[in-house]
Amino acid sequence: QQQVKQSPQSLIVQKGGISIINCAYENTAFDYFPWYQQFPGKGPALLIAIRPDVSEKKEGRFTISFNKSAKQFSLHIMDSQPGDSATYFCAASRARGATNKLIFGTGTLLAVQP
Amino acid sequence: SAVISQKPSRDICQRGTSLTIQCQVDSQVTMMFWYRQQPGQSLTLIATANQGSEATYESGFVIDKFPISRPNLTFSTLTVSNMSPEDSSIYLCSVTIGQFNTEAFFGQGTRLTVV
Repeated sequence: QQQVKQSPQSLIVQKGGISIINCAYENTAFDYFPWYQQFPGKGPALLIAIRPDVSEKKEGRFTISFNKSAKQFSLHIMDSQPGDSATYFCAASRARGATNKLIFGTGTLLAVQP
Repeated sequence: SAVISQKPSRDICQRGTSLTIQCQVDSQVTMMFWYRQQPGQSLTLIATANQGSEATYESGFVIDKFPISRPNLTFSTLTVSNMSPEDSSIYLCSVTIGQFNTEAFFGQGTRLTVV
């Protein structure tokens, strides 16, 4: 119930294309869903996050789509650029939980080819 | 946001020895966490570092192996004790801020290799 399943494991996209990464969760108590971007040798950096009261959130080229009934959420990267090549992690937590622990997905290695 | 400094950034250690990793935050924070990340894999929470009390460990992690200190609201240490090659990993410090303490920020990590 604590798992967050992420797919695909790796993704190759051409420059200018759309990158789509999907995540699914089981625990309906989760109410905060962030995405993290990690470059080699760096810690993860918060990219964008959504709460279940909205179905979509957009920040620049990055969009989260959220489907509460299906318990799924996805990250869309529009106009993908080589600089977007990184590992992306989805995560989930209970914002009002005692410890706000983040449960991370398994990660997606994105390569954007020029 | 929060700026987190971790030291050392990397180290190569002999098996059987211990390494202490330091985490310094540029502002006072309530919640601090320590994660482990095996190369190419996801993040696994080791423990929540509680200021003024013992850390709260996740299943599979014990205080004797990973003692944690949290003397104040800006600093914490994680010690990896009696190291074996299986402890080779990246160790990350994290803090959460914002409404409901949900926005997590990470240090750059400590890459540990045990030989």
